[in-house]
Amino acid sequence: GEDVEQSLFLSVREGDSSVINCTYTDSSSTYLYWYKQEPGAGLQLLTYIFSNMDMKQDQRLTVLLNKKDKHLSLRIADTQTGDSAIYFCAERETSYDKVIFGPGTSLSVIP
Amino acid sequence: NAGVTQTPKFQVLKTGQSMTLQCAQDMNHEYMSWYRQDPGMGLRLIHYSVGAGITDQGEVPNGYNVSRSTTEDFPLRLLSAAPSQTSVYFCASRPGLAAYEQYFGPGTRLTVT
Repeated sequence: GEDVEQSLFLSVREGDSSVINCTYTDSSSTYLYWYKQEPGAGLQLLTYIFSNMDMKQDQRLTVLLNKKDKHLSLRIADTQTGDSAIYFCAERETSYDKVIFGPGTSLSVIP
Repeated sequence: NAGVTQTPKFQVLKTGQSMTLQCAQDMNHEYMSWYRQDPGMGLRLIHYSVGAGITDQGEVPNGYNVSRSTTEDFPLRLLSAAPSQTSVYFCASRPGLAAYEQYFGPGTRLTVT
């Protein structure tokens, strides 16, 4: 079945770049997402990428997609303490009805 | 717009009790879904609905019932709560089945003792 994997923890210093990695198994995924969850809150869509794209940039965020290796990454430039949160990678099936989430990566930003 | 709202925010149940988690959206979205979030496991889909009167099972439907009598509301019912249902529950909606962005509610933290 479908599976999305992420490392569970990442710690970076304020001002450095953060790179959060994700691997997925469904080669027919149409959309791949990054969500952010702050403590006690719901999930907020950060960015998404279509499966026919290699890269998407949105201000401090860069998403890279390697379809051959089924690898997705999220780079946050100039990481700030406000970026501390859990980041979820998710893939959307071609049939649209399911979004499969990874376990989430907890990003800690050290001042 | 209030977006997606969920009530209650917190709930403690005893094993065997029943309750309904409420979810409502005011964006006229056709698609609504329920997820549970457990540590280290991400979000898992419980049930979803593609429109009023239509529901279907997700990845972990056992122990939960849903109905969709209106476009706005999508309640999740626990008929006989079990400790394994201790979790954080999120409701989500999107305009239609193919829409790329999904909007999440703030969550309900449920503890079953």
